[in-house]
Amino acid sequence: AQTVTQSQPEMSVQEAETVTLSCTYDTSESDYYLFWYKQPPSRQMILVIRQEAYKQQNATENRFSVNFQKAAKSFSLKISDSQLGDAAMYFCVLTGTASKLTFGTGTRLQVTL
Amino acid sequence: EAGVAQSPRYKIIEKRQSVAFWCNPISGHATLYWYQQILGQGPKLLIQFQNNGVVDDSQLPKDRFSAERLKGVDSTLKIQPAKLEDSAVYLCASSLTGVGSPLHFGNGTRLTVT
Repeated sequence: AQTVTQSQPEMSVQEAETVTLSCTYDTSESDYYLFWYKQPPSRQMILVIRQEAYKQQNATENRFSVNFQKAAKSFSLKISDSQLGDAAMYFCVLTGTASKLTFGTGTRLQVTL
Repeated sequence: EAGVAQSPRYKIIEKRQSVAFWCNPISGHATLYWYQQILGQGPKLLIQFQNNGVVDDSQLPKDRFSAERLKGVDSTLKIQPAKLEDSAVYLCASSLTGVGSPLHFGNGTRLTVT
């Protein structure tokens, strides 16, 4: 069985500042993928970033980047220059070749002026 | 590219009534998922289709929930009879075939059972 743990139920960041959301996971598979999804109040789940486990280079998408520590089974999301539109629920998601997607419990991010 | 379409956006029913949700995935996406998301929680997979075949329905309450994807394109999810605990957002997602393909989600249907 695979698990995903997001230990921060809520986080807050000021506009233009940087925030890091934590995620740890466990899997017995050697080939797997990790994602961060964002769910704003509109409810639509939007892909933020994707990481392939066999790639050592951390994925980056504009202001979003990850710190992927494979040995520690850690996959944190860094949001730089936070904007009001970044306020949402963020889910860390794990999938392997032999297993279905596993969602974390989510971290609610508030962005303040 | 058109996204995943879901309808209705909202639905309010009384317990013991029936309800159906519709989903049209992104064109060319062979895999379709239905998730149930209770307020404050992460999505829970109800059923996964690969084309018109069921890949995983282990968490689908089969005594009251049913889903079909007859032509391998759009899909319907039905609840009959509904219970109060079925109040949730029902999310449909689709993806290309292959492990690691990201899911594309629809806007979801918020169901309230009174």
